[in-house]
Amino acid sequence: AQSVTQPDIHITVSEGASLELRCNYSYGATPYLFWYVQSPGQGLQLLLKYFSGDTLVQGIKGFEAEFKRSQSSFNLRKPSVHWSDAAEYFCAVAAENTPLVFGKGTRLSVIA
Amino acid sequence: GAVVSQHPSWVICKSGTSVKIECRSLDFQATTMFWYRQFPKQSLMLMATSNEGSKATYEQGVEKDKFLINHASLTLSTLTVTSAHPEDSSFYICSAREDLPNYGYTFGSGTRLTVV
Repeated sequence: AQSVTQPDIHITVSEGASLELRCNYSYGATPYLFWYVQSPGQGLQLLLKYFSGDTLVQGIKGFEAEFKRSQSSFNLRKPSVHWSDAAEYFCAVAAENTPLVFGKGTRLSVIA
Repeated sequence: GAVVSQHPSWVICKSGTSVKIECRSLDFQATTMFWYRQFPKQSLMLMATSNEGSKATYEQGVEKDKFLINHASLTLSTLTVTSAHPEDSSFYICSAREDLPNYGYTFGSGTRLTVV
């Protein structure tokens, strides 16, 4: 069965600092990988997704993620965090035609 | 990009009544939609997979008679919480899957249900 691990429950970074959110998955083949962001009381917004090809994926809001097959990881990065990036971030995995399986999420706090 | 509309955004109902939540894909056809429940400060829990024109597939532990799902068209799925009780109070989120070539999962904005 597919599973997703986000090891960090809560991360605090200073505004302007770089960010890396970790995500590891367990799946027999190369899954479809996603990062979503959720603000309080809102739905989920897609940041980026990886299906195949170039392992470095660019997303919206200046985010990028790198797929590393050898490490079963799909970490999310941003070179300079803005206060508006404070939110909950979810990594998710799916096989074709299956529901998304989510990690437990990482809450990002941004301090001045 | 793909847009999914979910209504209502919030609803308060009396215990014992039923509530219907709608999920619409606005600019694409979705043969498959999903319903999730999210508890405070937790991740999303998949309740059921909704397939257009057929019965929904419920996850283990989800009462199909309490959470009625109908996917009557390629752009609309509904979740009806029947005989709601306070323990059904939660945040419900739908998702619609877009098929190739733009494969992806788009989420609605969620519905906050409070049962009093």
